[in-house]
Formats: sequence, C-alpha cells, structure tokens
Amino acid sequence: EAQVTQNPRYLITVTGKKLTVTCSQNMNHEYMSWYRQDPGLGLRQIYYSMNVEATDKGDVPEGYKVSRKEKRNFPLILESPSPNQTSLYFCASREDGRLYNSPLHFGNGTRLTVT
Amino acid sequence: AQKITQTQPGMFVQEKEAVTLDCTYDTSDPSYGLFWYKQPSSGEMIFLIYQGSYDQQNATEGRYSLNFQKARKSANLVISASQLGDSAMYFCAMREGRGGGFKTIFGAGTRLFVKA
Repeated sequence: EAQVTQNPRYLITVTGKKLTVTCSQNMNHEYMSWYRQDPGLGLRQIYYSMNVEATDKGDVPEGYKVSRKEKRNFPLILESPSPNQTSLYFCASREDGRLYNSPLHFGNGTRLTVT
Repeated sequence: AQKITQTQPGMFVQEKEAVTLDCTYDTSDPSYGLFWYKQPSSGEMIFLIYQGSYDQQNATEGRYSLNFQKARKSANLVISASQLGDSAMYFCAMREGRGGGFKTIFGAGTRLFVKA
C-alpha cells in the first residue's frame, strides 16, 4: 500500500530533550516536506526537500533540522524542544516537486507535547 | 507574498443540502495549482480536488466541485448533497512554481458541521 509513515503518533517530552520524528514514504517520491498544524493558523511549512541531499527552509524553520540522505526518509529533528513547539506535525510527499497538479500525500501526523 | 484566506472558521449545513466553502488566494505567479484537503476528526489529511491556474473548466470530483474565478482569485469548494461523514476540517491550499519556491501554503481552514 502506498503510504507515508510517521512515527511516533504521540510524543510527550520535556524542554531541551532532543527528539526525532521519523518519516518514510514508499512511493519513490522526490519531494518531501514537514508541516506543523496549529489552531487558527492552518498548516505551516517547516522544511522541504526536492530530492536527496536537497533541503530548504519553509516558513517556520527555527528550532528544527532535517536531513535527506535517502529518497524514502525525511526525519525531523528538534535539537532542544521548547513548549512553543507543541503542535501537530505532518510529513508529506509528492511525486515531483515541480508538478503543479501533484497532490501531497500525508502521514497520519505526530502530536507533540513539550512540557 | 503568497497567501490563502479562508474567512469561515465554522459552518453548519443540513444533511443532503449543498454547501460552499470559501477560499481566496493571492499570488503574482501566473502558474499555480489550487487544492482542497479534508481533515476528519481522526486527523489524517485527505486530498479532495485540484484546479490548475490555466484550466478552462472548473474541476469536479464526485460530490465535490471547485468554483474557480481566476479574476477574483477565488477557489471555492462546493459539496453537493452533504452527508454526515462530510463533517470535518477543510483546508484550501496553493502551490506556486519556481517563483514561489515550489512551496504549498495552506489557509487556516473551515470546520464544517453537517446536521442530521
């Protein structure tokens, strides 16, 4: 089954404790992206990647890191999480980052709470 | 700067009636794509419908249609014959081409409640 897999689904952590949210897609998609969803703000892009070893900042990259060493994986790293990073996170992929009509395929989301 | 505006935080509709969810966008790029996604209470994001900036006809997918008015920069989603399962959050999204960095931006969303 074609899918984007995120783990974990739920995560509660404390301020400053490094964490990684994994994302993997099995559709051989070139484009991958991370979003955070907050009430009243919709989804905001954190980072995206057009292909392996090609990443770029989205609209809210502060406090996050990503890497794209393999085509299928795009982990999101929070080196020192803070409470303002409490949010619902989505990983998404697309067949070709340059195609206008290619929709995003989303993972099921990771609900992160930082205390 | 690119921007998506959804002015209806919440809407109610009677089952079996049609409902229109509003979306306006702002871009200076002549090439762009517009999308609608549905987010049920379970949280996943589901792609509904797509409209390209050069498409001459409004997009349709089953009970979903997109009322695309390019001059007004609006891309409203019309759901016909609403069902209880349509109760969800709906997001309008736009992606530009190279000028916009191939990013997809989202509106704040509209929560739809379908009444029995």
